[in-house]
Amino acid sequence: GAVVSQHPSRVICKSGTSVKIECRSLDFQATTMFWYRQFPKQSLMLMATSNEGSKATYEQGVEKDKFLINHASLTLSTLTVTSAHPEDSSFYICSARGGTQETQYFGPGTRLLVL
Amino acid sequence: GQNIDQPTEMTATEGAIVQINCTYQTSGFNGLFWYQQHAGEAPTFLSYNVLDGLEEKGRFSSFLSRSKGYSYLLLKELQMKDSASYLCAVRNNNAGNMLTFGGGTRLMVKP
Repeated sequence: GAVVSQHPSRVICKSGTSVKIECRSLDFQATTMFWYRQFPKQSLMLMATSNEGSKATYEQGVEKDKFLINHASLTLSTLTVTSAHPEDSSFYICSARGGTQETQYFGPGTRLLVL
Repeated sequence: GQNIDQPTEMTATEGAIVQINCTYQTSGFNGLFWYQQHAGEAPTFLSYNVLDGLEEKGRFSSFLSRSKGYSYLLLKELQMKDSASYLCAVRNNNAGNMLTFGGGTRLMVKP
């Protein structure tokens, strides 16, 4: 099946620093990628949708200046959490859409802990 | 808007069969997906239905009735490793083919 990689898998940072998370579709081209956040025992919350070569579309309540998304190629999207605060600590999961059925495949997730 | 409902939790016995239901209300229906998510991990794709009927894939089967806005995921010969959350997601072609997820069903398989 389709493979989506995400890096890093785990990151601990100090409050006020920025963290970049990479998402790659390894064996297919993804015109659309999605970024989700998930808090413990809660469902996935869509943060933003990004299309290759254009600006991301953010969900209501998600600050675009805080969560910078770049989708520079058909296989790579990045999420940068700027000036991270402890409340940004969460599980961030990217997803890439592709294949004949336009299925969404998920990356393994990045666990962010802001101290 | 969209509304997706599935039970919060279910418990079943190893070796048994369990059915996880999902009901939805949406305009622009363009497919229903089931994902499995183990604790602390990202979701993995299980199945996709866009036409009415049953799709079988090994121990897992998924059923769809578009007229009833209803789907179920059937897991046979349950194994301990099947303990996970199962997410029902509906794709909407009126919203750029985005997925909307239900809250997930936490399945606990007991020996």
